[in-house]
Amino acid sequence: AQSVTQLGSHVSVSEGALVLLRCNYSSSVPPYLFWYVQYPNQGLQLLLKYTSAATLVKGINGFEAEFKKSETSFHLTKPSAHMSDAAEYFCAVSVRGSGNTGKLIFGQGTTLQVKP
Amino acid sequence: DTGVSQDPRHKITKRGQNVTFRCDPISEHNRLYWYRQTLGQGPEFLTYFQNEAQLEKSRLLSDRFSAERPKGSFSTLEIQRTEQGDSAMYLCASSLAGGPGNEQFFGPGTRLTVL
Repeated sequence: AQSVTQLGSHVSVSEGALVLLRCNYSSSVPPYLFWYVQYPNQGLQLLLKYTSAATLVKGINGFEAEFKKSETSFHLTKPSAHMSDAAEYFCAVSVRGSGNTGKLIFGQGTTLQVKP
Repeated sequence: DTGVSQDPRHKITKRGQNVTFRCDPISEHNRLYWYRQTLGQGPEFLTYFQNEAQLEKSRLLSDRFSAERPKGSFSTLEIQRTEQGDSAMYLCASSLAGGPGNEQFFGPGTRLTVL
């Protein structure tokens, strides 16, 4: 079975500082991995996804993530935080293979606070 | 706006009542998903449709829950005899077929409060 663990339910950074949100996954087969962002009272928006084309994935709004198979990790980073980055971030995994539905298994989320 | 839409955005009901939610996916998307999100948690998968066929249901989807997608376009999720534990945000997402790596586009959700 697949699972996702996000280390740290709350992360606080200063504006301009590095953002690092941690995600570890468990999957018996090579996974697809996703990061979504959720702003208050809104649905989820895709930041980036890993589908095996490249281990370093660049997404929207300056975010990127690196797939590390040996560490079963897919941490999300951004060099310089903006106030507008304050939101809830979710890591998710989906299973490869024919017949798979594409359903997403989400982590519990990390709330990012950006201080002025 | 051609994104995923959900109706209503908010629903308050009394325990024991039935409720129905609607999801309109992006028009060319043949995959449709329902998820449930409780406070402080990530979304949990409920069910999946490919066109009009419901192909997977989670164990979370008790017999009080039923979902349909009659013509392969919009979908409804009905909860019968609501319980306080059903209070949550219900999210709908759609995607193109072709593989589990395809992006799912999420609607804004329906927030259900059961009193």
